[in-house]
Amino acid sequence: DAGVIQSPRHEVTEMGQEVTLRCKPISGHNSLFWYRQTMMRGLELLIYFNNNVPIDDSGMPEDRFSAKMPNASFSTLKIQPSEPRDSAVYFCASRTNLGQETQYFGPGTRLLVL
Amino acid sequence: AQSVTQPDIHITVSEGASLELRCNYSYGATPYLFWYVQSPGQGLQLLLKYFSGDTLVQGIKGFEAEFKRSQSSFNLRKPSVHWSDAAEYFCAVGAAAGNMLTFGGGTRLMVKP
Repeated sequence: DAGVIQSPRHEVTEMGQEVTLRCKPISGHNSLFWYRQTMMRGLELLIYFNNNVPIDDSGMPEDRFSAKMPNASFSTLKIQPSEPRDSAVYFCASRTNLGQETQYFGPGTRLLVL
Repeated sequence: AQSVTQPDIHITVSEGASLELRCNYSYGATPYLFWYVQSPGQGLQLLLKYFSGDTLVQGIKGFEAEFKRSQSSFNLRKPSVHWSDAAEYFCAVGAAAGNMLTFGGGTRLMVKP
């Protein structure tokens, strides 16, 4: 099993540019989570999907952030326009729906907005 | 609402010494509890989890954790630390019927030779 796959692993962009982060969950997992990790705020849940449907997006910072899950094997997190304060590591995680199962994390995307 | 507190931001131990990382949670029902480890530049890897049953759970890499309901704690322990254990450790709590995990702020472990 390849685990959760995220791309790109590193992204450097300039303020105002659009950034798209990608995630491929583990095959067979029904739930997908996007987290952001910063020194100041730690690990924060941004949004999660269940069976491709967004369930809770209360953690999404503002309208500049959007996430989609067009099918069970792919999700994107988009920031448009990006700002320096968006610089962080963004993690994707997935799990099954069989009770409270473990979330498996991807390696993360390190984003730097200049 | 559930919450997790990891009181120690940084801990330094000597290689070979024992380790205990503290985790206190707040949750109104029976919690599901997890410990994850994050090595520099890496994602989070599950060390162990508690759902029910025996309150002392064994995990990977020689770690164990004990659930103490009366103290709302789920402390992580290892009898003898190795230099490769240097990393950041996160405690998390989840609701029995829900999807979401709430993470603590993390404890960064440094290991002295």
